[in-house]
Amino acid sequence: GAVVSQHPSRVICKSGTSVKIECRSLDFQATTMFWYRQFPKQSLMLMATSNEGSKATYEQGVEKDKFLINHASLTLSTLTVTSAHPEDSSFYICSASGHLTEAFFGQGTRLTVV
Amino acid sequence: AQKVTQAQTEISVVEKEDVTLDCVYETRDTTYYLFWYKQPPSGELVFLIRRNSFDEQNEISGRYSWNFQKSTSSFNFTITASQVVDSAVYFCALIGGTASKLTFGTGTRLQVTL
Repeated sequence: GAVVSQHPSRVICKSGTSVKIECRSLDFQATTMFWYRQFPKQSLMLMATSNEGSKATYEQGVEKDKFLINHASLTLSTLTVTSAHPEDSSFYICSASGHLTEAFFGQGTRLTVV
Repeated sequence: AQKVTQAQTEISVVEKEDVTLDCVYETRDTTYYLFWYKQPPSGELVFLIRRNSFDEQNEISGRYSWNFQKSTSSFNFTITASQVVDSAVYFCALIGGTASKLTFGTGTRLQVTL
């Protein structure tokens, strides 16, 4: 399958700071990227869908001003958690899609806000 | 609306036992795609299989096999002769029509012990 690289794999930050997570498709052009959040022992919750060159579409209940998503190129999308708080601590994972029926996932980022 | 149900929250088996993970889905789309992913303790999502709604043939890949039955809206996953390395959370997921985003089940945690 295609390769999606997510960085960093783990990050610890202080409360109030911002954290940027990158998601790159290494060997294909990802017209659509998805960002998910996963709490311990729970399923993946879709946060937002981003298409290259346009604004992200956020799922209901997800604060767009807190979780900034940028999809500036066909191979890179970023998720910035702004003014992070301990309740934002979670596992964030991206997926990239070159067409409608494919979904390849990054390795995930474990964010801990202290 | 789309929905994926994995009724088994946790399954524990002894190595070499066969185990079946159940997945039942709901969708109004006539064209859809079903997926299984494995999430080991490290967190990344490992793609296992994709099946489209027009292909009801069962599939076998090594110790893994999948049984797709449209009549019961089920896409069950069987691991034959389970191994400790199979211990993980397994997610069933669905893409319906042109939605392009995955709807995940709640996952089944499989524990294989010696």
